[in-house]
Amino acid sequence: QAVVTQEPSLTVSPGGTVTLTCGSSTGAVTSGHYPYWFQQKPGQAPRTLIYLASNKHSWTPARFSGSLLGGKAALTLSGAQPEDEADYYCLLFYSGVWVFGGGTKLTVL
Amino acid sequence: EVQLAESGGDLVQPGGSLRLSCAASGFIFSSYWMIWFRQAPGKGLEWVANIKEDGSEKNYVDSVRGRFTISRDNAKNSLYLQMNSLRPEDTAVYYCAGGAWVDYWGQGALVTVSS
Repeated sequence: QAVVTQEPSLTVSPGGTVTLTCGSSTGAVTSGHYPYWFQQKPGQAPRTLIYLASNKHSWTPARFSGSLLGGKAALTLSGAQPEDEADYYCLLFYSGVWVFGGGTKLTVL
Repeated sequence: EVQLAESGGDLVQPGGSLRLSCAASGFIFSSYWMIWFRQAPGKGLEWVANIKEDGSEKNYVDSVRGRFTISRDNAKNSLYLQMNSLRPEDTAVYYCAGGAWVDYWGQGALVTVSS
């Protein structure tokens, strides 16, 4: 089974910019992996921020954006807010099965 | 308002069985793939299974294939997960999710497998 890799933890200053990445053990992440990004705050269910690498839901704050960058999926947060402190997970599709990354704990400090 | 509400979580002994249900409302349930995810205590998310709109296609993570069965009843707007031969490593909060692009998530149901 493929392994999906994310940074275990990142820190960003309030108002700053940070990029979270999502890599695949099978090679470059492409649109064919249908990359998703989810946000989960302590004690809450996850919510979907980004689908198909770069598409936002209506509830996704404008400061979040998704892309494919350097063979990985990327989630960029521009203008971090304290409420963005959370765990972020990417999800990739591999021929009928889905695999999550281990998650990135983002601290806004 | 869209709602997904899981039920059926419980404490069960290793080797036992449990059936989770997920009641959907506020969207056209029969039009979308539905998914079960899980999250072990203090751990990350894991995809468990998904099912096509009409139930004709189902997929499972290797660790549950042959033990878990996903199903749906579109007339009742309900999703199910039948879990057999449960193991301690199946202990987790189980979430149902769905929508065009995994738009919607339930709040989760806790399954604890322990003697």
